[in-house]
Amino acid sequence: EAGVTQFPSHSVIEKGQTVTLRCDPISGHDNLYWYRRVMGKEIKFLLHFVKESKQDESGMPNNRFLAERTGGTYSTLKVQPAELEDSGVYFCASSQVAGASTQYFGPGTRLTVL
Amino acid sequence: AQSVTQPDIHITVSEGASLELRCNYSYGATPYLFWYVQSPGQGLQLLLKYFSGDTLVQGIKGFEAEFKRSQSSFNLRKPSVHWSDAAEYFCAVGGGATNKLIFGTGTLLAVQP
Repeated sequence: EAGVTQFPSHSVIEKGQTVTLRCDPISGHDNLYWYRRVMGKEIKFLLHFVKESKQDESGMPNNRFLAERTGGTYSTLKVQPAELEDSGVYFCASSQVAGASTQYFGPGTRLTVL
Repeated sequence: AQSVTQPDIHITVSEGASLELRCNYSYGATPYLFWYVQSPGQGLQLLLKYFSGDTLVQGIKGFEAEFKRSQSSFNLRKPSVHWSDAAEYFCAVGGGATNKLIFGTGTLLAVQP
């Protein structure tokens, strides 16, 4: 069974540009999470989908970030326009259920904003 | 406030020595506790988890952790470290309907030959 996949693995963009990150969860996992690790800091929660619905987006930094999960399968996270402080590693995770359940993480996308 | 503290940023141990990585948490409800490991160039891999029941949990790669409610701790241990254990280790707490995870800052483990 394939794990969580993320694309691209690395992205380098200029300040002001737009970037879209993609996450494909494990097949059959209704719950999808986005996290971010800014250099030197802890991994922080961004948001949680159950199927195509946003259950909790309390961690989204600002309205430059837009997450979607059309059809309840893969998810995208768009940053528009990107700022320097958006640099970091963006992780996606999925789980079968919420609550007492294991989240399986993807390898992450390293975003560098110049 | 909900938080996880990993007081050791870097730890260096000799191969074959024992290891204990510390984790303390602050969480208002019944916590679900996790240890993840990230090897260079890899994603986060689950080492072990605690939801309920026996407070000593066994994980992969010979790791174990003990949940101590009175101390709000979930320390990770391994009796004999291998060079391949060099990685960054993250403690996390979750719970509630969403189970969004709150992570510590991580402990970077170096293993000396």
